[in-house]
Amino acid sequence: TQLLEQSPQFLSIQEGENLTVYCNSSSVFSSLQWYRQEPGEGPVLLVTVVTGGEVKKLKRLTFQFGDARKDSSLHITAAQPGDTGLYLCAGVGGYGQNFVFGPGTRLSVLP
Amino acid sequence: DVKVTQSSRYLVKRTGEKVFLECVQDMDHENMFWYRQDPGLGLRLIYFSYDVKMKEKGDIPEGYSVSREKKERFSLILESASTNQTSMYLCASSPLSVLWGYFGPGTRLTVL
Repeated sequence: TQLLEQSPQFLSIQEGENLTVYCNSSSVFSSLQWYRQEPGEGPVLLVTVVTGGEVKKLKRLTFQFGDARKDSSLHITAAQPGDTGLYLCAGVGGYGQNFVFGPGTRLSVLP
Repeated sequence: DVKVTQSSRYLVKRTGEKVFLECVQDMDHENMFWYRQDPGLGLRLIYFSYDVKMKEKGDIPEGYSVSREKKERFSLILESASTNQTSMYLCASSPLSVLWGYFGPGTRLTVL
């Protein structure tokens, strides 16, 4: 069974700070996705990364897929209260046969 | 934009009742999924469907069944609701070639 771990579980920071959250596995994934989920809502897809070493930027968010395609990171620059939410990573197994979610990182950005 | 809608945002039922949760997507996606989300356990796949009248068990299918009579609609059925089925239920859809989904807003089900 492929598992994804995320760290930290919880993060509380002040507006304007930078932060990085991590998504790790011992398994190889053919692609990895990041979602953000706000309280009481469904997850919203932020980005998909498919190539080892790939870096994608979405405004103040930078996503990186590890060279070995076993891990990923999400870096937020100058965090804002609107970034508050649960950040989930999810991966597609090496042969596209299964899709697993990590447990999430709950981010709180205080004004 | 992809739109996935779920029939109810909040639902309260009694133990033993039959519960229907409905999901509709408007993007002609082949795949549809039902997940439940619980604190500390993350999202767990209950069932998915890759075509009309087709269904596959996910990781936790016990106590649930599904129905897909039309491509755009995927229903989750709790035959006899139990308190341990209190949870947030999330529906998702995706094109046939990908497994990651576009999610609906969720239904928070409470079983008393």
